[in-house]
Amino acid sequence: GAVVSQHPSRVICKSGTSVKIECRSLDFQATTMFWYRQFPKQSLMLMATSNEGSKATYEQGVEKDKFLINHASLTLSTLTVTSAHPEDSSFYICSASADFATNEKLFFGSGTQLSVL
Amino acid sequence: AQTVTQSQPEMSVQEAETVTLSCTYDTSESDYYLFWYKQPPSRQMILVIRQEAYKQQNATENRFSVNFQKAAKSFSLKISDSQLGDAAMYFCAYRVYNFNKFYFGSGTKLNVKP
Repeated sequence: GAVVSQHPSRVICKSGTSVKIECRSLDFQATTMFWYRQFPKQSLMLMATSNEGSKATYEQGVEKDKFLINHASLTLSTLTVTSAHPEDSSFYICSASADFATNEKLFFGSGTQLSVL
Repeated sequence: AQTVTQSQPEMSVQEAETVTLSCTYDTSESDYYLFWYKQPPSRQMILVIRQEAYKQQNATENRFSVNFQKAAKSFSLKISDSQLGDAAMYFCAYRVYNFNKFYFGSGTKLNVKP
């Protein structure tokens, strides 16, 4: 199956700093990438959808200025948590689809555990 | 509104036995896909099985099969001959055809007892 690489797997940062998480599709071109947030023992909450070369679409309640998403190429999307605070601590997962119209499958990265001190 | 409901927060099964995880969904769409994803302790999401709504035949993947009841909007997952490696969180998911958004249920934690 297709491989989505997410990096870093774990990051600890100080409150007020920014953290960048990378999501790469290794063996296919991802026209659409999704960013999810998962709290302990809870489901995945969609944060935003990004299409290559265009602005991300954020879900209601997600601060676009805090969670900056860039999808500059067909193989790379980044999520930057700006001025991180302890309440931003969470597990973040990216996912990608090759051709959403015809490929209904979603491939997931391995996730990033963010801890803000 | 699209919603996916998993009414069983946690279930247990004896190794080699069969277990069924429940999922219901609410939609007004006629063309859509349904999925079961597995999230083991590593937290990597793994696709277990998928079903196209237009297909009446239930999908099967080795020990995994679904019972898709379109009229009842029900999509249960049956795991036969359960193995210790099946222990994980299982998420039911829904996606409208040609629309780029997945909806996930709250998950069911499956424990497999040796």
